[in-house]
Amino acid sequence: ETGVTQSPTHLIKTRGQQVTLRCSSQSGHNTVSWYQQALGQGPQFIFQYYREEENGRGNFPPRFSGLQFPNYSSELNVNALELDDSALYLCASSLAGAVRNSPLHFGNGTRLTVT
Amino acid sequence: GDSVTQMEGPVTLSEEAFLTINCTYTATGYPSLFWYVQYPGEGLQLLLKATKADDKGSNKGFEATYRKETTSFHLEKGSVQVSDSAVYFCALRLSGGTSYGKLTFGQGTILTVHP
Repeated sequence: ETGVTQSPTHLIKTRGQQVTLRCSSQSGHNTVSWYQQALGQGPQFIFQYYREEENGRGNFPPRFSGLQFPNYSSELNVNALELDDSALYLCASSLAGAVRNSPLHFGNGTRLTVT
Repeated sequence: GDSVTQMEGPVTLSEEAFLTINCTYTATGYPSLFWYVQYPGEGLQLLLKATKADDKGSNKGFEATYRKETTSFHLEKGSVQVSDSAVYFCALRLSGGTSYGKLTFGQGTILTVHP
């Protein structure tokens, strides 16, 4: 069973630039969620994707956007980067079912630094 | 809104000491409750879970009981090891609807165990 993988592991960008982070979900999982974890804080929910559509969003501005592909992999895009966007970005996958939803399984994250 | 509050850290213990990390929550409805652990440089790993009141989750010697009357889910371990040193996060997920990908996390508690 392949776990959740994220790329790249580290990234440095300049304020105002755009960034794309990638995530491959765990085998058999159909839902992907993205989280932002600032240093010393708990992860904050950005949004989730199910069947290639966003169907849940946290308190993040529209410059945070995403995609989910037919193979359930996903991208997180952030436009007009700000210094406060510096954080660890975590991807999590799960299996959404009619009866029971599986726990979330997380990748190791992408460390984004905005200078 | 929904929230999770963890005891302030960091927590420093000697090997074989007893561990308690307090967690209380506020939520609408009946959430599922989770403990995740994060080792340095890694993503989050599910440690244990409970889906309804009075359920006890357990794994690797850790235990937590879902207490609806006190809205708590305290993490305990009878004898900690140096390898347990990590950051521990309490989290909740609401049931039903499209909440399967959204976890609400506490701020995390840093645990350091000395030999």
